Amino acid sequence: NAGVTQTPKFQVLKTGQSMTLQCAQDMNHEYMSWYRQDPGMGLRLIHYSVGAGITDQGEVPNGYNVSRSTTEDFPLRLLSAAPSQTSVYFCASTLRVGQPQHFGDGTRLSIL
Amino acid sequence: KNEVEQSPQNLTAQEGEFITINCSYSVGISALHWLQQHPGGGIVSLFMLSSGKKKHGRLIATINIQEKHSSLHITASHPRDSAVYICAVRETSGSRLTFGEGTQLTVNP
Repeated sequence: NAGVTQTPKFQVLKTGQSMTLQCAQDMNHEYMSWYRQDPGMGLRLIHYSVGAGITDQGEVPNGYNVSRSTTEDFPLRLLSAAPSQTSVYFCASTLRVGQPQHFGDGTRLSIL
Repeated sequence: KNEVEQSPQNLTAQEGEFITINCSYSVGISALHWLQQHPGGGIVSLFMLSSGKKKHGRLIATINIQEKHSSLHITASHPRDSAVYICAVRETSGSRLTFGEGTQLTVNP
C-alpha cells in the first residue's frame, strides 16, 4: 500500500519563485490536510479539505493555496516563496474526522 | 500559553527503563492522539483515545478527561524507541487537531 505520497522530498527555492507540493493518497480518504513543522513549534495546519471540491483555511494559510479536484490529490501551492516559508511540510489524510491520521514522509523546503 | 503542553521536552533514558511522557491540554476535547516521529521524519499514529487506557505492545496511553491530562508510557524501553512523541487534541467544537511541541526521547543502549 502506498498510503500518503508526498513529492518532492527536498526542494530549494529562491525568494519569489512559485512551486507546488504534491500529495496523493490511495486509501479513499475524504479528509486531507497540509501542516508545516518548525523548530520549537507543534505542527500547524495550513489548509484542509473535507472532500473533493471543498477546502478551508487552517491556522497559517497566508501565502499558500490548495485545491481538491479529486479525492486522491491535494496539492499545496506556494504563490511567491518567502524565507519564512522554509519548513518541513506534511500532508495527512484520514477516512473521516475523528479517525487516526496517516502522514506522508514530509517535504523539506528551503527558501533562499 | 499553548493549548497543548507536553513534558518533558527532552528525555534521555537507559535501555530497559520505564518511560512516561505527559500531555496537558486546556480545552474540551473529543479525542487525543499520540504520534511518533522517527529521526527520518516520518510520522505515525500510535493511539487515539477519548477515555481510559489503551495498550499496544510495550506502549500504554492513558487519559483523564476531568484533569485534562494524558500520559504515554513505554515499558522496557529500547534504543529503537528513540523518536519525537507528539500529543495532539481534537477540540469538541471543531474538526482540527492542535499539536504539542513534542518530546524528544533518546534511549541509550
